[in-house]
Amino acid sequence: DTEVTQTPKHLVMGMTNKKSLKCEQHMGHRAMYWYKQKAKKPPELMFVYSYEKLSINESVPSRFSPECPNSSLLNLHLHALQPEDSALYLCASSQDPHRVLWEQYFGPGTRLTVT
Amino acid sequence: AQTVTQSQPEMSVQEAETVTLSCTYDTSESDYYLFWYKQPPSRQMILVIRQEAYKQQNATENRFSVNFQKAAKSFSLKISDSQLGDAAMYFCAYRRTGGRDSNYQLIWGAGTKLIIKP
Repeated sequence: DTEVTQTPKHLVMGMTNKKSLKCEQHMGHRAMYWYKQKAKKPPELMFVYSYEKLSINESVPSRFSPECPNSSLLNLHLHALQPEDSALYLCASSQDPHRVLWEQYFGPGTRLTVT
Repeated sequence: AQTVTQSQPEMSVQEAETVTLSCTYDTSESDYYLFWYKQPPSRQMILVIRQEAYKQQNATENRFSVNFQKAAKSFSLKISDSQLGDAAMYFCAYRRTGGRDSNYQLIWGAGTKLIIKP
């Protein structure tokens, strides 16, 4: 099973709402990632969890709050977002990042619209 | 700092023909990995092919192959017998091998939109 799942597929939220994005993988991967992708642009890395600990936060605003409850699950909590946060949010996972070679597997993404 | 350049914003090819997508990169590292990812309109980013810099042999995956020129820092993707399902954005990406945090970072090109004409 080489699948990363993400829910919901689409999300529309107002600027005062609180919502969460969910990501799940059952490949035994030990690193999980959140990316933000604008239309026709490459993904931008937001956060990386390695062995359920936050390893990288790419100076992301605090209105985005990641959480990794266990090695299979990754959440992204959203609060007080701005319209410019509208984008495709991609989750990815990879094997042990301390190995020499590993690959990132991506989920289908959540299309977020902030109104 | 490493950079990845895809100079072709858009390419088109007739179905069943061959197309080559270009990618160049800049690095002072001697060991690294290069990837081609495909993102169809369905949005899912799919790994197409990878190349380890220490390997001289070009990677091949079915109809997809790369031309890896290490000295020229070039990593092009050739798609043979193009199919309608190949229509997508194609991203070239680079990853270092050294250091702990740098292991996580993929350096992405801007992408090339591939159109398949029936």
